[in-house]
Order: sequence, then C-alpha cells, then structure tokens
Amino acid sequence: NAGVTQTPKFQVLKTGQSMTLQCAQDMNHEYMSWYRQDPGMGLRLIHYSVGAGITDQGEVPNGYNVSRSTTEDFPLRLLSAAPSQTSVYFCASSPFGGGSSYEQYFGPGTRLTVT
Amino acid sequence: AQKITQTQPGMFVQEKEAVTLDCTYDTSDQSYGLFWYKQPSSGEMIFLIYQGSYDEQNATEGRYSLNFQKARKSANLVISASQLGDSAMYFCAMREGPNSGNTPLVFGKGTRLSVIA
Repeated sequence: NAGVTQTPKFQVLKTGQSMTLQCAQDMNHEYMSWYRQDPGMGLRLIHYSVGAGITDQGEVPNGYNVSRSTTEDFPLRLLSAAPSQTSVYFCASSPFGGGSSYEQYFGPGTRLTVT
Repeated sequence: AQKITQTQPGMFVQEKEAVTLDCTYDTSDQSYGLFWYKQPSSGEMIFLIYQGSYDEQNATEGRYSLNFQKARKSANLVISASQLGDSAMYFCAMREGPNSGNTPLVFGKGTRLSVIA
C-alpha cells in the first residue's frame, strides 16, 4: 500500500492563480481531511469528509473548496491564491467505525508559497 | 476556546533523561480519544500513542507513555531515556464522540523538544 499520497510536494503560485492539491489514499478509508500548518499554529483543519459525496468545513475553510467523488480521492482547490495561504498542507485519512482509536494517517505534505 | 492546550513551546532534555510534555484538553463528551504525534525536521507526521477516555490504564508504547489524568483533563506524554532522534515537534490531539472515527482530529500548537548530548 502507498498509504496517503499528495501531489505536488512543492508549489509556487502567484496571487490570484488557482490550483488543486491532490490527495489519494489506497486504504479504503472513509474519513479524509485537509490541514494547514503554519509556524506556531499547529495543524488547523480546513475541510473534512466522512465519505464520498459528503464534505464539511473545519476551522479555516475560507478560500478553499473540496469535493469527494470517490472514496480514494479528496482534492483541495484554491480558487484565487493569496499570500496568506502560504503554508504546508497535509492530507490525512482514517478508517470509520466506533471508538476513538482510529489514528489518522498523514500524507507527506505539500509546501505552497504564494507570491 | 482552545480544545487542546500545550503550554510549553520548547523544551530541552539531556540525552538518556526522561522528559514530560504537557497537554490539557477541553471537552464535554464522555467518550473521546487522545493522540500524540511526532513531527521531525523532515516534516512527516508520525503517530506515537493513543489513549481512550474509558481506558483505565495509562497507554504505553515502548519508550512513550501517557500520563492520563481524566479529572484534570490532562494527557501528558512521557518519553523515557531520551535519544538525539527524539528531537522534534510533538503534537497532542483529540477526537471527540463515541463514534469518533468520523469526527475531526483537533491539534494543539505543539512543543518543540530538543535533546542535548
């Protein structure tokens, strides 16, 4: 299994450009999520999904869109990039079910710079 | 209000010594899970240890143990016999609810641990 994969690893955008960060997992996990990591802020949740066709907002959703058409894929779209979106982005997934014991598996991250 | 609070932005520990990283949490749910992750300088997120709210014993995984004090709402990570490779950011996180495989994992701001030779 490849686990959680993210592409690209690095990206530089100009203000106003749009792009999609790709995330895929091959573990048949129902739950997927996107975080951004900024210095001193920890990981903050952007959007999450509990299954195909279902998405919900996290703590910092503004400026980002998501969709979940398949179990495997959960792309994150920046419609009009802003310098404030310069960050490291992590995608994560976990299996569904009862109990809190389902750790999230993280992708390697995408480092995005908006100039 | 912060759901996860890590009050130590940075910590130093001598190699081979034990170190405790603090974490307090805020929830009104009776069922929840607490997690610790390690992030080395390479950037990946590594799961370390999990504690369920109904677990009667403190969780342990090798050199990692979790000092779980439910009444105080604290879940401190103890690393025994520190090694140079333990130098990293450490994040405490929580998932709430009885079926919290489908609820978000909320993170604290992290503690940077530096192990000194």
